[in-house]
Amino acid sequence: AQTVTQSQPEMSVQEAETVTLSCTYDTSENNYYLFWYKQPPSRQMILVIRQEAYKQQNATENRFSVNFQKAAKSFSLKISDSQLGDTAMYFCAFRSSGTSYGKLTFGQGTILTVHP
Amino acid sequence: GAGVSQSPSNKVTEKGKDVELRCDPISGHTALYWYRQSLGQGLEFLIYFQGNSAPDKSGLPSDRFSAERTGGSVSTLTIQRTQQEDSAVYLCASSLSAIYTEAFFGQGTRLTVV
Repeated sequence: AQTVTQSQPEMSVQEAETVTLSCTYDTSENNYYLFWYKQPPSRQMILVIRQEAYKQQNATENRFSVNFQKAAKSFSLKISDSQLGDTAMYFCAFRSSGTSYGKLTFGQGTILTVHP
Repeated sequence: GAGVSQSPSNKVTEKGKDVELRCDPISGHTALYWYRQSLGQGLEFLIYFQGNSAPDKSGLPSDRFSAERTGGSVSTLTIQRTQQEDSAVYLCASSLSAIYTEAFFGQGTRLTVV
């Protein structure tokens, strides 16, 4: 079974600075998908960025980028120019492309606070 | 609809009672997922539907939990004889199909068992 580990329960950053959230995972599969989701106090999970394991290039979405290290099974999220609205809980998630492709496996989450 | 809609938003129930949680997926989305988020925990997969069928219900924690989906649209998660450890936020998500990677989440139902 796949597992996802986020080792940072809480992080904080000053507005306009850069922060990196860590995520490691364990799988025996070669093809899979990785995601970062944001959960603000409204509880609604919002997709921030996704990465296909077969792509070597790191995904980027505006101020959000990932550092995907397939051999190390590491998938960190970098937030540049942090904004107050980035304050939320962030979850790393894994999705198989095999027989269990219908479900996401989530890490425990990292609470990010952006200070003015 | 415009997004995934869940009802009720909050539910308080007495231990031993049955509860039903409802999820309305985005129109046209054939895949629907249920997750549970306990206090301070990550999200735990419960079950997913492709159409009205549930190919994977491996996450349902006990036989007190069941879910159904009718007409390929609305889904209901039922918890019988609720217990205090069932207290959690229950999140529903939908996607165009189960192989489509982007899932859209609702705002969840916060269930409190007293």
